[in-house]
Amino acid sequence: DAGITQSPRHKVTETGTPVTLRCHQTENHRYMYWYRQDPGHGLRLIHYSYGVKDTDKGEVSDGYSVSRSKTEDFLLTLESATSSQTSVYFCAISESYSSGNTIYFGEGSWLTVV
Amino acid sequence: GQQLNQSPQSMFIQEGEDVSMNCTSSSIFNTWLWYKQDPGEGPVLLIALYKAGELTSNGRLTAQFGITRKDSFLNISASIPSDVGIYFCAGSYNQGGKLIFGQGTELSVKP
Repeated sequence: DAGITQSPRHKVTETGTPVTLRCHQTENHRYMYWYRQDPGHGLRLIHYSYGVKDTDKGEVSDGYSVSRSKTEDFLLTLESATSSQTSVYFCAISESYSSGNTIYFGEGSWLTVV
Repeated sequence: GQQLNQSPQSMFIQEGEDVSMNCTSSSIFNTWLWYKQDPGEGPVLLIALYKAGELTSNGRLTAQFGITRKDSFLNISASIPSDVGIYFCAGSYNQGGKLIFGQGTELSVKP
């Protein structure tokens, strides 16, 4: 195991409510990522972080924000959840963002927006 | 944007058969990765490839980095029931190394 813990693992929430997913790592890796996985789309990058308080957008960042106040924690927030954000969310970590370095995934957070 | 085409989308095979799946890219990649995802779990790294033409094995799994740098394949020999899952390819290109994922190949193995 890569030392990644996601919480909550499962959540059902109502449209319009805020939701925060937490990713905690014990590997002291610099880079952390949030992906979503949907049928027919594979894994798509939402946001990533390259250090404490340093974050950037991925390919599907609209409707999401992130924060990283400590090396080990990376939070994903849906300010006002929509049904289109029903998905499985994976946190991932890597030592480096450069090509040739691999990323390791957490076990996922299943989010249902009703 | 970058596109990764992974095929086939799904496979139904008999235990003991060999399996082959591949990914092609619209652009040159300089890293190819293969992951397996079991139901209810996150993707787990199987094989990483960093050089064109590289052929790497991990037990019954063999993957190759295509010499054009636009494709990669994964072979599984003598499949067993625990090979069931979704296999993803992922690649990164020169600018920043951001990973692009294929849509996955769902493998079913009949005992």
